[in-house]
Amino acid sequence: DGGITQSPKYLFRKEGQNVTLSCEQNLNHDAMYWYRQDPGQGLRLIYYSQIVNDFQKGDIAEGYSVSREKKESFPLTVTSAQKNPTAFYLCASIGGGNYMNTEAFFGQGTRLTVV
Amino acid sequence: AQSVAQPEDQVNVAEGNPLTVKCTYSVSGNPYLFWYVQYPNRGLQFLLKYITGDNLVKGSYGFEAEFNKSQTSFHLKKPSALVSDSALYFCAVRGPSNTGKLIFGQGTTLQVKP
Repeated sequence: DGGITQSPKYLFRKEGQNVTLSCEQNLNHDAMYWYRQDPGQGLRLIYYSQIVNDFQKGDIAEGYSVSREKKESFPLTVTSAQKNPTAFYLCASIGGGNYMNTEAFFGQGTRLTVV
Repeated sequence: AQSVAQPEDQVNVAEGNPLTVKCTYSVSGNPYLFWYVQYPNRGLQFLLKYITGDNLVKGSYGFEAEFNKSQTSFHLKKPSALVSDSALYFCAVRGPSNTGKLIFGQGTTLQVKP
């Protein structure tokens, strides 16, 4: 089945550690996105990538890093510089020739907790 | 800069009554507008979108939305609410320039009571 897969579903991080969240899609989509969700704040854009080997900062990129070495994969690293990383993280992808008017497909999310 | 506002944190309706979830947007030029629904601890599911054409857009599960350019609004509606419609609803906008950014509102919790 085609879809977008995030792993792990739950992740626990100690203070000062870097952790990497996985996002893989087999939809042949060009564009991929990472969002952070906090209660009452909706979804905030962290990073997005419109093509392999290229990505742009979103609204809250500080303390995060990404790579886009393959079309299928867009991992997000939460670094120790992110002071409040506890949140629900969502990955999305958009495809099609004119993806500007195409809806996004979302993964099931990763809940990150600092312990 | 583009933005989306959902003025109500929560909307309560009785089952069988019509529902409206409000959304206003700000973007340069003509917008691309979307509605998504989220169930607890899950990703977002697409409901409907407005790109161009008729101002009334029909989507999944009996939902529809009305695009109003003069009021810069894109309210989500359903003629008869179901208890199973209870969820978190997000409005999103993408501007016409090819930046690729998809911006979401803060979300509205819909509570449908039997």
